[in-house]
Amino acid sequence: DARVTQTPRHKVTEMGQEVTMRCQPILGHNTVFWYRQTMMQGLELLAYFRNRAPLDDSGMPKDRFSAEMPDATLATLKIQPSEPRDSAVYFCASGTGATDTQYFGPGTRLTVL
Amino acid sequence: GENVEQHPSTLSVQEGDSAVIKCTYSDSASNYFPWYKQELGKGPQLIIDIRSNVGEKKDQRIAVTLNKTAKHFSLHITETQPEDSAVYFCAASLSGGYQKVTFGIGTKLQVIP
Repeated sequence: DARVTQTPRHKVTEMGQEVTMRCQPILGHNTVFWYRQTMMQGLELLAYFRNRAPLDDSGMPKDRFSAEMPDATLATLKIQPSEPRDSAVYFCASGTGATDTQYFGPGTRLTVL
Repeated sequence: GENVEQHPSTLSVQEGDSAVIKCTYSDSASNYFPWYKQELGKGPQLIIDIRSNVGEKKDQRIAVTLNKTAKHFSLHITETQPEDSAVYFCAASLSGGYQKVTFGIGTKLQVIP
């Protein structure tokens, strides 16, 4: 049963610290999405990649957030420095591009104190 | 850009009753409308979708309807069961697999046994 995996599942950190979240897309999927979920804003698209190239990162605060795909099996989302307002659940999703279905991982719950 | 509004934000129904969730979208170019279900502690999962060339689609106890003229679409769940309790998200995008998907704010459905 192929699944998107995300690590860590939970992260508590202090304001100003660097946070790195990792995602392993389903093998063979060439599209990767990063979302942030909060009660107030719902699911917000931060960035997405096709064949490891960024297609759109307009939803991401550029001064502190960065997203990369070092290889086809790993996507990373980094926050530096982190702030309390970054506290949220961050989801990674992957897809094939041949269909419109996105497969979501279990999420990383980030708490910035 | 696309804007998706969803209501109600919470919905409680008795087991066996029907539940209806409604969404509107703003971009007339959108032609793909998925619905995702998110259970507690998990990522969203696609449950059904509809494309703009179809007015209605059904899959067992769930059905979606689409009114392109009015730019609104709805999810209908019949004979609700306690396992239907979850948060449901509607979304809109262009079809093509590499497209940005805009999600509604979500509806928390509670099915009371």
